[in-house]
Amino acid sequence: QSVLTQPPSVSAAPGQKVTISCSGSSSNIGNNYVSWYQQLPGTAPKLLIYDNNKRPSGIPDRFSGSKSGTSATLGITGLQTGDEADYYCGTWDSSLSAGPVVFGGGTKLTVL
Amino acid sequence: QVQLVQSGAEVKKPGASVKVSCKASGYTFTGYYMHWVRQAPGQGLEWMGWINPNSGGTNYAQKFQGRVTMTRDTSISTAYMELSRLRSDDTAVYYCARDLGKGLSYYMDVWGKGTTVTVSS
Repeated sequence: QSVLTQPPSVSAAPGQKVTISCSGSSSNIGNNYVSWYQQLPGTAPKLLIYDNNKRPSGIPDRFSGSKSGTSATLGITGLQTGDEADYYCGTWDSSLSAGPVVFGGGTKLTVL
Repeated sequence: QVQLVQSGAEVKKPGASVKVSCKASGYTFTGYYMHWVRQAPGQGLEWMGWINPNSGGTNYAQKFQGRVTMTRDTSISTAYMELSRLRSDDTAVYYCARDLGKGLSYYMDVWGKGTTVTVSS
């Protein structure tokens, strides 16, 4: 079981918008920044979002992040077939057994 | 360009140890923390720990303490992760990943391609 909870899968049509949720607790998301990673099939993860809503250089503004309370959301607009991937949220956790870095179980995005 | 090149796949028997290397290029190796993350087949990401290549200081996830050792050789800009007393559930792809910040941010912006470690009798 992952410390952070994500839906196993989401889907949407090309050109549409999709959101992926990430739920945690006060020991992790509630008091820390959130990051998001994209993992294309057979490749290493790629940092998409950090500090809840900042994008590293080279990440298009189609990708956005937000946080409210103990949950975070990744938004992707103008979906492309190349966006089909697994997406992971991550944050710090202050509980000794879990942290300090924890990830969600991942969400598989299908672009229909 | 900035890249991390990892060593090749390994097959180990239960109880053995494995040492994975990660050679950095294109940036100042001692200027950025290095993380190790693993991913079991069909599973999510699991953070294992970090090493400060400048000082050699480390911090390991509690789950791996006592079994994992992270080291570095600054002369060849290479980080190492050694996992001992291997079990079948250690079968995974092991990634090294550079920290985003000049300090420790816990965000990982450059990743190696991964090293597959298979533990089987």
